[in-house]
Amino acid sequence: KAGVTQTPRYLIKTRGQQVTLSCSPISGHRSVSWYQQTPGQGLQFLFEYFSETQRNKGNFPGRFSGRQFSNSRSEMNVSTLELGDSALYLCASRYGTGGGQPQHFGDGTRLSIL
Amino acid sequence: DAKTTQPPSMDCAEGRAANLPCNHSTISGNEYVYWYRQIHSQGPQYIIHGLKNNETNEMASLIITEDRKSSTLILPHATLRDTAVYYCIVRVGGSQGNLIFGKGTKLSVKP
Repeated sequence: KAGVTQTPRYLIKTRGQQVTLSCSPISGHRSVSWYQQTPGQGLQFLFEYFSETQRNKGNFPGRFSGRQFSNSRSEMNVSTLELGDSALYLCASRYGTGGGQPQHFGDGTRLSIL
Repeated sequence: DAKTTQPPSMDCAEGRAANLPCNHSTISGNEYVYWYRQIHSQGPQYIIHGLKNNETNEMASLIITEDRKSSTLILPHATLRDTAVYYCIVRVGGSQGNLIFGKGTKLSVKP
């Protein structure tokens, strides 16, 4: 079974631009979560989608948004990029939302802002 | 969500068992304990999880104390490839999907 696939793996943008990152979950998984990882703040939760609905959101500004499609694939968008948005963005999927269902992570998209 | 406490670093000799402790003294009755590890520049890898009982899979064993206030991840025969940051996480059962990652334990397996 294929794992979580994130594209692109690397991305370079400049301040003020916007970016869209893509995530394809494991086949059959309906929940997709996004995380940001930086050296200073570690891994931080951005948001979770299940059946095309956002179920939970972390403490990030409105410049960070996401969506999920009917095939469970998800995208996240960051507008008006800032230098501090440079990070590894990770996507994780799981079958449902029950407490005993583990999330499985992709290898992330490394975003660099110049 | 409950918080966890882990030692910042540990060493282990190759071929020996690695025992990684985690304290979660404020855990609630419906909160699961999850373990992940992250090798540099890769996404976190799921290892194992449990609620009350000890668990074992092909990667590791998870020992949870009877009062559920602490747990230990055991890698029975550590290899150099097990060098990674190991995260112990508790997450509420139910609809909230986010994991709260702490700083984890940097495990160094030495030849």
